Amino acid sequence: AQKVTQAQTEISVVEKEDVTLDCVYETRDTTYYLFWYKQPPSGELVFLIRRNSFDEQNEISGRYSWNFQKSTSSFNFTITASQVVDSAVYFCALSDSGGSNYKLTFGKGTLLTVNP
Amino acid sequence: GAGVSQSPRYKVAKRGQDVALRCDPISGHVSLFWYQQALGQGPEFLTYFQNEAQLDKSGLPSDRFFAERPEGSVSTLKIQRTQQEDSAVYLCASSSRTSGSRDEQYFGPGTRLTVT
Repeated sequence: AQKVTQAQTEISVVEKEDVTLDCVYETRDTTYYLFWYKQPPSGELVFLIRRNSFDEQNEISGRYSWNFQKSTSSFNFTITASQVVDSAVYFCALSDSGGSNYKLTFGKGTLLTVNP
Repeated sequence: GAGVSQSPRYKVAKRGQDVALRCDPISGHVSLFWYQQALGQGPEFLTYFQNEAQLDKSGLPSDRFFAERPEGSVSTLKIQRTQQEDSAVYLCASSSRTSGSRDEQYFGPGTRLTVT
């Protein structure tokens, strides 16, 4: 069975601080995909990144970066120089190759509050 | 360029009433997913359609829940004899390809259902 754990329920930082959101996953498959989504107060989930299990290269997109480590089954997300607009709930999700669909299994989310 | 839309955005139902929630996916998207998000939790998978075929309904919590997508575009999630535990946000997502791909899922704004 697949599982995603986001141990940090809430994080509060001051603007311009760097912040890392942790994600640990469990799956029996060797082929799987990992995702991060952002859910602002408006409620709509916004796709941030997708990474497959064969690509362990870290990725940077502007102020966002992701660290994928298969050895520790982690896919952590760092926001550099955080801004108030980054305040949201962030979800890590896993999709493996089981079955005929690719449903996402989500963690419980981390509420990030960036204070001015 | 419209995204996924859902209606109604908010629904209040008395216990025992039937409700119908609508999802309009992005035009041309083959795959459609329904998720249920309880307060403070991550979304949980309910069911999956590939065109008009319902390929996975393993997440539907009871036989009171029914989903359809008769023409392979708009989908309706119906809940019969609503119970208080059905109160949640119901999210619809679509993606462009079939299960042979891991395209990201695009989410709608959700329908917040409150059962009183």
